[in-house]
Amino acid sequence: DAKTTQPPSMDCAEGRAANLPCNHSTISGNEYVYWYRQIHSQGPQYIIHGLKNNETNEMASLIITEDRKSSTLILPHATLRDTAVYYCIVLARDDKIIFGKGTRLHILP
Amino acid sequence: ETGVTQSPTHLIKTRGQQVTLRCSSQSGHNTVSWYQQALGQGPQFIFQYYREEENGRGNFPPRFSGLQFPNYSSELNVNALELDDSALYLCASSGGAGPQETQYFGPGTRLLVL
Repeated sequence: DAKTTQPPSMDCAEGRAANLPCNHSTISGNEYVYWYRQIHSQGPQYIIHGLKNNETNEMASLIITEDRKSSTLILPHATLRDTAVYYCIVLARDDKIIFGKGTRLHILP
Repeated sequence: ETGVTQSPTHLIKTRGQQVTLRCSSQSGHNTVSWYQQALGQGPQFIFQYYREEENGRGNFPPRFSGLQFPNYSSELNVNALELDDSALYLCASSGGAGPQETQYFGPGTRLLVL
């Protein structure tokens, strides 16, 4: 079973920041938080991952709470192309990915 | 650097038949994982191959089998197809220059079993 809880869907206005929450209250010390997204009819795409520090790359920022029990993926300026299902996953170094149902993000024009 | 490719893109089979799906991993990657994604669901892990050996398996019956070749490309074989095997089959490779466990997915093969 997936070790994360995400809202099933969210809306965000185009040009605004999209903030996608994820709860992982049972995360272990050696488990990373990963985010992938899947645009309709395509394979999942890696976005970002982190252990305990906040991370930023060209696609997004990842904010992990100090107790590591939850995190937020931030898309700073959402566009219509960001409409997708976003998966939050926790796994240790040699784990295999277990996808939950994810959050369906709708970007509204 | 080429990404992960899969073939064929679409396939129609009938119940009881056998199917082989193919995956070419991203350059420099030595690990391939296969996933099954039913309509409206997240991908489900089938198995992983690392340097030509099976390295972990999900909750799938033995009629799902795989192979990895010396060039790290891979095949997924499914025998005695059932209607419920209709799904998008995804291949992902990892083990390149980035963190070991980051996986890069191909576009998938959509299988329909009639």
